[in-house]
Amino acid sequence: AQSVTQPDIHITVSEGASLELRCNYSYGATPYLFWYVQSPGQGLQLLLKYFSGDTLVQGIKGFEAEFKRSQSSFNLRKPSVHWSDAAEYFCAVGATGTYKYIFGTGTRLKVLA
Amino acid sequence: NAGVTQTPKFRVLKTGQSMTLLCAQDMNHEYMYWYRQDPGMGLRLIHYSVGEGTTAKGEVPDGYNVSRLKKQNFLLGLESAAPSQTSVYFCASSPGLAGGSSNEQFFGPGTRLTVL
Repeated sequence: AQSVTQPDIHITVSEGASLELRCNYSYGATPYLFWYVQSPGQGLQLLLKYFSGDTLVQGIKGFEAEFKRSQSSFNLRKPSVHWSDAAEYFCAVGATGTYKYIFGTGTRLKVLA
Repeated sequence: NAGVTQTPKFRVLKTGQSMTLLCAQDMNHEYMYWYRQDPGMGLRLIHYSVGEGTTAKGEVPDGYNVSRLKKQNFLLGLESAAPSQTSVYFCASSPGLAGGSSNEQFFGPGTRLTVL
C-alpha cells in the first residue's frame, strides 16, 4: 500500500542550526514527491517538489530536499534555521497518473532563539 | 489571482445542525479536493472531483456530501453535524493528474469547524 512516514512528530532546533526533516515513502512506481509547510492558522504552502531528474531539489525559503530511491526517502534540509521557520511540515507523494496524493502525519518544528 | 479561497474561515455548530463549506478557485483547475486535518493524522481525503459535474469518495467520506456544479466551485456539506466532525477542513485544486512538472496541489487557507 502507498504510504508516507514522517518519523519525527516534533523537532526542536536552535536558530542558526542546521535542520533535517525525515520522510520515507512506500510507492511501487516512480514517486512524485512534495514538501509543504503550514504556519499556524494557515493553509499549506508548497516548499518544493520532485518529479524526475536531479535528485537534489531546491525550494523556496532556502530549503532543499534529496530524493534517495535506494532508501525510499525524501528528506528536507536547511543549513541555517530562522525563527520564522517554526511551523508544521508535511511530506506527500503523488500517485503518478491518478488523483491521489498521500500525506505524512507532519513534523512540528520549534525554533529556539 | 486569489488562488483557492474558502468560506467561512471559522464556524461553530451544534450537533445535528447542517452547513455548507464553499471552496472557489480561479486557476481553471480540473481537479478539486476536500481534506480534513486532525492532530497527528495529517490530511485525509474526504471527497474529490475530476471535473465539473463529477464527484467521488475519498478515504473518509461518511457524513459528508459534495457538489461541483461549476468548475470553479466545490461545496462540502454536512447534513447532520457530529462532534467527530470537529476539524480543520482544507480545499485544494490541481490542474490534472499527479505527475509531471506542472502538476501540484494548491491549498486554501482552511475552515476551522467546531461541533458542540
